Amino acid sequence: DTVLTQSPALAVSPGERVTISCRASESVSTGMHWYQQKPGQQPKLLIYGASNLESGVPARFSGSGSGTDFTLTIDPVEADDTATYFCQQSWNDLTFGSGTKLEIK
Amino acid sequence: EVQLQESGPGLVKPSQSLSLTCSVTGYSITSNYWGWIRKFPGNKMEWMGYISYSGSTSYNPSLKSRISITRDTSKNQFFLQLNSVTTEDTATYYCASLVRRVFYYVMDAWGQGASVTVSS
Repeated sequence: DTVLTQSPALAVSPGERVTISCRASESVSTGMHWYQQKPGQQPKLLIYGASNLESGVPARFSGSGSGTDFTLTIDPVEADDTATYFCQQSWNDLTFGSGTKLEIK
Repeated sequence: EVQLQESGPGLVKPSQSLSLTCSVTGYSITSNYWGWIRKFPGNKMEWMGYISYSGSTSYNPSLKSRISITRDTSKNQFFLQLNSVTTEDTATYYCASLVRRVFYYVMDAWGQGASVTVSS
């Protein structure tokens, strides 16, 4: 299995720029996607193919990377962005990262 | 807009089978792909498998001996059955719509999730 590693938690202030990282145990090309899950809600697709913004998602969200290292950037962060952010790859079957919990101070 | 809703028992005894239904509105399950994902306590998520628009299936190899995904196109529903459950199958189970974006399949719509506890 391709293991995806994310840092467990981050805390930032509104208006700041935040980067959330995801590292794959082997290359996944650009087959990395990002989801947002707010407490009590289902996951929501934000970014697909490493850098493509899903329709309806604010342009404050962006993604980058290829191979094994990927980044989700939120700039500027808003209070409503409090959530857990998951990466997911679909290059080698389908696996998920363990999620990064984002707290807005 | 496609909407999905999981339903089924919230409590299952060890060694029994877990059965869940995903009801889909706003889109026919004879198009696209439809999958099951579960989230364990502690946040780990696991891809379980999918059923295609034609009824073919694909399963996570780690579950292949225990899992079955089927469908009823007349009701626009698809189903998950997981056999011989243990306490390690306690999780929130999500159904989702899979679509192709660029070269990849992603989950563009999810159900609210069904919490299932395996306990005697």
